[in-house]
Amino acid sequence: DGGITQSPKYLFRKEGQNVTLSCEQNLNHDAMYWYRQDPGQGLRLIYYSQIVNDFQKGDIAEGYSVSREKKESFPLTVTSAQKNPTAFYLCASSIRLLSVDSPLHFGNGTRLTVT
Amino acid sequence: KQEVTQIPAALSVPEGENLVLNCSFTDSAIYNLQWFRQDPGKGLTSLLLIQSSQREQTSGRLNASLDKSSGRSTLYIAASQPGDSATYLCAVKEGGKLIFGQGTELSVKP
Repeated sequence: DGGITQSPKYLFRKEGQNVTLSCEQNLNHDAMYWYRQDPGQGLRLIYYSQIVNDFQKGDIAEGYSVSREKKESFPLTVTSAQKNPTAFYLCASSIRLLSVDSPLHFGNGTRLTVT
Repeated sequence: KQEVTQIPAALSVPEGENLVLNCSFTDSAIYNLQWFRQDPGKGLTSLLLIQSSQREQTSGRLNASLDKSSGRSTLYIAASQPGDSATYLCAVKEGGKLIFGQGTELSVKP
């Protein structure tokens, strides 16, 4: 079955440490996205990628970094510069970035807790 | 700047009732509008996508409408069931980005 796999499901880190969240898709989608979700808030876009070796900052990119070396993979690093890293992180993909008929498909998320 | 609003934030209905969830947006220059369902602690599941040139889409008991001129969309759920209990989010696609509302938490009581 095609889909998006995020790992791990739960992640715990000490303040000051960098941490990398994994996102892998086997849908052959060009575009991939990272969103952050906080209680009572909608999803906010962190980074997105239209194609391999290309990515753009979203609305809340500060303290985060990404890479897109392979079509299937879009890992997100939460750095120590991110002031409030505890959140639910969601990865998504779509066939193309700019299309009217391409829905987003989401992984099951990673819940990161930083203490 | 595009803003997406969903009202109410929470809704509780008895099983079997038909219901409407509302979504409004401020800028009509959108590619499409999508409705998603999210169960607690899970990712989002795409329910319906309405292209900017379309007025509505249907899937089973779900019907979504889009009125770009007024900046509104509705999600109609017929004959609600307890299994429909979840948070429903709408999102508009503007350029390459999807901008989300805060969601409506739906509870369907048996």
